[in-house]
Formats: sequence, C-alpha cells, structure tokens
Amino acid sequence: KAGVTQTPRYLIKTRGQQVTLSCSPISGHRSVSWYQQTPGQGLQFLFEYFSETQRNKGNFPGRFSGRQFSNSRSEMNVSTLELGDSALYLCASSSRGGRENGANVLTFGAGSRLTVL
Amino acid sequence: SQQGEEDPQALSIQEGENATMNCSYKTSINNLQWYRQNSGRGLVHLILIRSNEREKHSGRLRVTLDTSKKSSSLLITASRAADTASYFCATDEGGTASKLTFGTGTRLQVTL
Repeated sequence: KAGVTQTPRYLIKTRGQQVTLSCSPISGHRSVSWYQQTPGQGLQFLFEYFSETQRNKGNFPGRFSGRQFSNSRSEMNVSTLELGDSALYLCASSSRGGRENGANVLTFGAGSRLTVL
Repeated sequence: SQQGEEDPQALSIQEGENATMNCSYKTSINNLQWYRQNSGRGLVHLILIRSNEREKHSGRLRVTLDTSKKSSSLLITASRAADTASYFCATDEGGTASKLTFGTGTRLQVTL
C-alpha cells in the first residue's frame, strides 16, 4: 500500500507570493489533516478534512486554507506569504472517518519544506 | 496551541541503555499516542494508550499513562543507534479525535 504522498517536497517562495501544497492520502483513507512544524512553535494543527468537509480548524489566519477533493486528495494554500510561514508542512491521513476504535491514528507524509525569502 | 510539554528536551545515551521520556498534558483525553520523527521527515506512529489503560507494551516500547497527573512516559529499552530521532506525544485535546495536539518533543541521540 502506497504511503501518504506530499508534493512538492521542497520549495522556495518570496514574501507576498502564494503557495499550494498537495497531499495524496493512503488509498481508502478519507480523513486528511495538515500540520505546520517550526522550531519555535513545534507541531501546530492547521485543519482536518473528511469527505470533502472541513471538520476542524486550528488557530491560523485566513491566509491558510485547504480543501479536499472527492478522491480524498487534499491541497492547502497559503496566500500572501510571510517570512514566518517558513516551515515543514505535514499532511497525515487516517482511516475509518478518523476514528479507529475511538482513536485518530495518523499516517504522515514526508512533508513539504517551505522557505519564504 | 501546544498541549503537551515533554521532558527532557534532549537526551543522549549509549547503545544498549534505556531511554525514558515524559509528557504532560493539560485537558482531559480519550487517548494518548507517541510518534517518532527522524530528522526533517514525517512522523511515524509508535503506540497508543487509552485513558482507561495504565500501561502498554509494544516490542521494546513501554508506555504508561497517569490520568490523575495528566502525564505519560515512554520507555525504550536496549536502545539502538537507529532509535536516534525526536519523539512526540499527541493527545486528542478535550476528546476531539479529529484534532491531535502534539507535545514539544524529546530529541533522543543514541551513540555507539
């Protein structure tokens, strides 16, 4: 079974630009979550999608958005990039609606490392 | 927001020794998970313990959970160089399963 695939793996943008990151979950997984990881703030929850619906959202500004397609693939977009948006963006998928016997066990992709100059 | 604080932030041991890392959290939970991350890569799920469990084993891993103290510990026995990684606890903050809140992580270095 293929794992969670994130593209691109590395990208460099300049302030003010926008970026779109893509995530293909494990086949059959309908829940996709996004996390931002920085040295200063650690792992921060961005949002979670299930069957094309956003079920939960973290405390990020509206510049951060996402969506999920009918095939469960997900994208996240960051507009008007700021230097502080430089981070490793991690996508994770889980099965059974995000609840395996009441727990949400995540399978992560390798991440997309964004550098904003 | 960071739910968990992990202690220590960094740990250096020799191969064959045991490594213990601790995690504290703030709100009620249904379960707690531990994940491992090799440098700059994605996280890998290691083990899950439910709020009604006190201890769980998986291979060389032993996890304990004390809900009265809102804390958990992860013990890795007979450490190997390949165990070098960062370890994170994650909780379903307030019972919200769709959102996991991760701790600050412990960076483990296992030397030969």
